Amino acid sequence: GQQLNQSPQSMFIQEGEDVSMNCTSSSIFNTWLWYKQDPGEGPVLLIALYKAGELTSNGRLTAQFGITRKDSFLNISASIPSDVGIYFCAGSGGGADGLTFGKGTHLIIQP
Amino acid sequence: GAVVSQHPSRVICKSGTSVKIECRSLDFQATTMFWYRQFPKQSLMLMATSNEGSKATYEQGVEKDKFLINHASLTLSTLTVTSAHPEDSSFYICSARDAAGTGNYNEQFFGPGTRLTVL
Repeated sequence: GQQLNQSPQSMFIQEGEDVSMNCTSSSIFNTWLWYKQDPGEGPVLLIALYKAGELTSNGRLTAQFGITRKDSFLNISASIPSDVGIYFCAGSGGGADGLTFGKGTHLIIQP
Repeated sequence: GAVVSQHPSRVICKSGTSVKIECRSLDFQATTMFWYRQFPKQSLMLMATSNEGSKATYEQGVEKDKFLINHASLTLSTLTVTSAHPEDSSFYICSARDAAGTGNYNEQFFGPGTRLTVL
């Protein structure tokens, strides 16, 4: 089946620093999604990407859909304490397909 | 908009009993809902795709007779864990796809999850 490799697994950064994480896939996806999950809660959608090469921003977050459709990255600028959490990339073939999730990036921010 | 609820949020049951988890889309209709399972410190794994008015599609390795799914309306899907055992203890999360979504749009909105503990 499809697999997503997400890196880094965890990040320890200082408040105010920029963050970058990425996902690569063994196969093509038609949709890339980035979610944030806080402990004990469901994932919350941050950014959705639908076209190869697409670059989309949501406040301090920027994500891109790789041109090969096999990768995506998420950047967070000027991190703040509430950015702490686990970030997941997810890919879909489209239509009514379920999502394939990456293993997550655990973001820890030191004040 | 795009709010998905789950009930219960937490359940503890004895081994051998059955547990039903509800997933509701509160402000939109969902022809397709999905059920995921997440073990501690791991990612979400798709269990099954629930389609309104038809049988669910299960992922490889997921027992359909153990995890019964019913999607009787456009706003409600239920997952019943039958004859639960301790190894079924996990965080079960549903998601719903807005039926109004078209083309390549595949945004899924997740519920808050249900923590199942089987003693």
